[in-house]
Amino acid sequence: GENVEQHPSTLSVQEGDSAVIKCTYSDSASNYFPWYKQELGKGPQLIIDIRSNVGEKKDQRIAVTLNKTAKHFSLHITETQPEDSAVYFCAARSGGSYIPTFGRGTSLIVHP
Amino acid sequence: DTGVSQDPRHKITKRGQNVTFRCDPISEHNRLYWYRQTLGQGPEFLTYFQNEAQLEKSRLLSDRFSAERPKGSFSTLEIQRTEQGDSAMYLCASSLRDPSYNEQFFGPGTRLTVL
Repeated sequence: GENVEQHPSTLSVQEGDSAVIKCTYSDSASNYFPWYKQELGKGPQLIIDIRSNVGEKKDQRIAVTLNKTAKHFSLHITETQPEDSAVYFCAARSGGSYIPTFGRGTSLIVHP
Repeated sequence: DTGVSQDPRHKITKRGQNVTFRCDPISEHNRLYWYRQTLGQGPEFLTYFQNEAQLEKSRLLSDRFSAERPKGSFSTLEIQRTEQGDSAMYLCASSLRDPSYNEQFFGPGTRLTVL
């Protein structure tokens, strides 16, 4: 089955800095890579996703890059704000499945 | 609020007791998923339904766990003879069947504590 590794487990930045979270996956058949943000006491919320036929996708301050050859993908948050503080999860899903495999999460702390 | 709702939000029970959780998906979503999340981990898949049919179960879903979605709308997850290792957040999510719409919408979860 799929295995997703996520790093770092904790990331502390100053407001206005950029944050980068990296994930690797094992199944070369995976073709859909969502990123979720989970705030305390809430369920995960999709913030951006990317398919395997695209190398990069951007939505305002958030971008995701995908390297299929190396089987890794990254989340980039620019101009971080205190409200970006949360746990972020990457996930990978094969084309024949509706079930994503999640990474272990990154706790992002943005200091004002 | 038209999002996914779960009830109860918190449940404390003694070891050996049975518990039941409910999930109400987004009304037009025909797929419903259950996940378990423990501290420091991402959500782990338990089972999913397409309408009322349970299509896939994880090996994490032991014989003590049972899920139903009798009318293809809300779903229940029952844990019998709870153990301390069952303590976790139980998340429900829903999505459309159309593969063009991949997003799973998660509910707020039910936090289970087994004493």
